[in-house]
This record gives sequence, C-alpha cells and structure tokens, in this order.
Amino acid sequence: AQKITQTQPGMFVQEKEAVTLDCTYDTSDPSYGLFWYKQPSSGEMIFLIYQGSYDQQNATEGRYSLNFQKARKSANLVISASQLGDSAMYFCAMRGNQAGTALIFGKGTTLSVSS
Amino acid sequence: NAGVTQTPKFQVLKTGQSMTLQCAQDMNHNSMYWYRQDPGMGLRLIYYSASEGTTDKGEVPNGYNVSRLNKREFSLRLESAAPSQTSVYFCASSQGTAPPGTQYFGPGTRLTVL
Repeated sequence: AQKITQTQPGMFVQEKEAVTLDCTYDTSDPSYGLFWYKQPSSGEMIFLIYQGSYDQQNATEGRYSLNFQKARKSANLVISASQLGDSAMYFCAMRGNQAGTALIFGKGTTLSVSS
Repeated sequence: NAGVTQTPKFQVLKTGQSMTLQCAQDMNHNSMYWYRQDPGMGLRLIYYSASEGTTDKGEVPNGYNVSRLNKREFSLRLESAAPSQTSVYFCASSQGTAPPGTQYFGPGTRLTVL
C-alpha cells in the first residue's frame, strides 16, 4: 500500500531562517509524483512544488525546494528565508496508482514563523 | 479565470437530511476529485472522475454519491447525512492522468451534521 508519513506535528522557526519539513513515502510503483501543498488558516489548499520520481534534479520554486532522496524514500520541503506569511499547515502528498491521479496525503505539519 | 469553485461555503444539516455539494472548474481539466479533511488528518479521497462520463470510488465512499454532470461540473451528494460526515470537503481538478497530474483545489465546504 502507498503511504505518506509526516512525523513533525509542529515546527517553529524565526523569520528569515530556513526550515525543513520532513516527508517520507512508501510505494512499490517505480513511477510516482510527490507534491507539497500549503494550507493557511483561511483553509484553501495551495500547490507549492512537484517532484517526479524520474527527475534527476531536485525541484525548486522560488523560496521552496524539495530535497528528494529516492533511496531513502524521502521528499523534504525546504523553505528558505521564512516569512510570517509562511505560517500554515503543510501537506506532503503522493500521486498514487490505485485511483487515477488521486493524491495520497500525509497528516500535515503546522509551521509557525515568529518575528 | 476562477479556477475551482465550490458551493456552499458553509452548511449545517440535521441527521438524515440530504444535500448536494457543487463543484465547477474553468481550466478545461479532464479529471475531478472530492476529498474530505478531518481534524488531525490529511485529505482522504471520496470519489473521483478521471474523465467526463466516468466516476470511481476512492478511500472513503460510503454514504456519498457523485455525478459528473459535464466536463466542468462534479457534484457530491449526501443522501442521509450522519454526524460522522461532519468535515471539510474539497473539490479538486487536474489535467489528466499524465504527469505531473497537479491538482488544483477549490476553497472547501465546511459541513456540520447535528
């Protein structure tokens, strides 16, 4: 069965510092995709970044980068230079193969950024 | 370009009542999804529609039905609401099954069943 694990319920960081949010996954499918979404207190789900299993380089999108370690089955999100607006819940998700391109989500990590 | 829209935003039902959650997307996406989010949990798939005219069950389909009305619209129906269906419901859409299959979400519907 495919599974996403996020072991950090909450993380705290100061403004302008970098922070890493952990994500490990389990799948036997050689082809898969990994996603990170942000959910602010307003509730919407915002797509941040994507990594394909065959991509050679780690994905980057502005201040977000995905530290993809295939052998360890980890896909950690790195946020550089944290801002107050980064305070939110962050979900790691994997594109599964049991139901089309439906996503399998972890339980999320709450990030709090302080000034 | 509104993306994915959902109505209503909030709803309170009594046990046994029925209702339909509406979802529409204007991105010409082929695939659409319904998820529910419960406290302390990630999103779980209820039903999905890989393309117009097809629907399939996800992880937690019991108590729900769906209709893919056309390419734009995908509705979720609760025939006889139960307190266990109190949750936040998200609709999402994606271009299709080819990578990356990035899903874009609506703003959610917060449903309370008393």
